[in-house]
Amino acid sequence: EDQVTQSPEALRLQEGESSSLNCSYTVSGLRGLFWYRQDPGKGPEFLFTLYSAGEEKEKERLKATLTKKESFLHITAPKPEDSATYLCAVSSWGGNTPLVFGKGTRLSVIA
Amino acid sequence: DAMVIQNPRYQVTQFGKPVTLSCSQTLNHNVMYWYQQKSSQAPKLLFHYYDKDFNNEADTPDNFQSRRPNTSFCFLDIRSPGLGDAAMYLCATSRPQGQETQYFGPGTRLLVL
Repeated sequence: EDQVTQSPEALRLQEGESSSLNCSYTVSGLRGLFWYRQDPGKGPEFLFTLYSAGEEKEKERLKATLTKKESFLHITAPKPEDSATYLCAVSSWGGNTPLVFGKGTRLSVIA
Repeated sequence: DAMVIQNPRYQVTQFGKPVTLSCSQTLNHNVMYWYQQKSSQAPKLLFHYYDKDFNNEADTPDNFQSRRPNTSFCFLDIRSPGLGDAAMYLCATSRPQGQETQYFGPGTRLLVL
């Protein structure tokens, strides 16, 4: 069974304090790994898709990387508006469910 | 802009009173999904449509039904809502290939009194 584990559950940063969020996964053949941002009371907003180990993608202060066992979402010099829950999800070749989500990391950036 | 739209954004219903949530999309995607998300939890897939082909998750209660009258619209019917069905309901769409990104709507927050 495909599994996704995100850590930490919650992270509190000072504005400008860079850090990384972790997404560990176990799948029977990775099709894709997805990062989403979710603000309170809203639907997830797509950030990145990664398909193979070694792949990296960037968007503003965010950079996502992928290995064969985990993905990192690096946040460089975060601002208060980066505060949100970040969700990781995987799609696998052998999975029964199209997309399996982790529980998310709740990020708070304090000015 | 192409998007996924959900109505209403907030829905209040009474225990046992049927309720319908709606989703529409302008992305022209073949696949549409319904998720349930409770506070501080991951979204949980209820079912999805590949065109008109309906796929129900094994643990989705019979109380939840869905209709997809055409490519653009999909409905979630909760026949007899219980207090435990209070949650955010998310609609998403994607192209059919397995690697394709799912795009989510803003969600409908359901409150059961």
